[in-house]
Amino acid sequence: KQEVTQIPAALSVPEGENLVLNCSFTDSAIYNLQWFRQDPGKGLTSLLLIQSSQREQTSGRLNASLDKSSGRSTLYIAASQPGDSATYLCAVLNTGTASKLTFGTGTRLQVTL
Amino acid sequence: ETGVTQTPRHLVMGMTNKKSLKCEQHLGHNAMYWYKQSAKKPLELMFVYNFKEQTENNSVPSRFSPECPNSSHLFLHLHTLQPEDSALYLCASSQDGGRQETQYFGPGTRLLVL
Repeated sequence: KQEVTQIPAALSVPEGENLVLNCSFTDSAIYNLQWFRQDPGKGLTSLLLIQSSQREQTSGRLNASLDKSSGRSTLYIAASQPGDSATYLCAVLNTGTASKLTFGTGTRLQVTL
Repeated sequence: ETGVTQTPRHLVMGMTNKKSLKCEQHLGHNAMYWYKQSAKKPLELMFVYNFKEQTENNSVPSRFSPECPNSSHLFLHLHTLQPEDSALYLCASSQDGGRQETQYFGPGTRLLVL
């Protein structure tokens, strides 16, 4: 059974810092991995999707990497801003399942002024 | 806004009540999903519908009954719930339920069962 772990559970950084969020998964037979953002009281917004054949994806100040063999992904946020404050969720799609994402519990990020 | 709306946004119900959650997507998608997000637990998939047909039931208790009358609407009918069912219920949609698709989420319904 796939398990997804995110470390740290919470993180507070001053504005302008670069930071890294970590995601690990136990079963490397994945089809893709996604990073989502969830703001308080709101749904999830997809940030980046990495296919299993890819090593990284970039969108603006965000860069996500994937090392499938070691079961790890990182989300790098450059020059953090207070507007980046949210919970970041990692989810994997296993091979053999059409659409069943397995989620981690998230990292709650606070960027302070 | 993601194009997926959910009503109500908040709901308080007793264990003997019957209520329904509604989800509507305006994206022209054919796959819709119900997820449960409990405090300090990972998001859990409950049901998947593809072209109005249920394709996934993740061992959800029968007190939760989904309904998908068309590709744009998804309901979750609730009856005789338990306090541990209190959670944020999220609806999502994607183009055709395929593996390469991003799922678009609604804002969720915050449910409290007393």
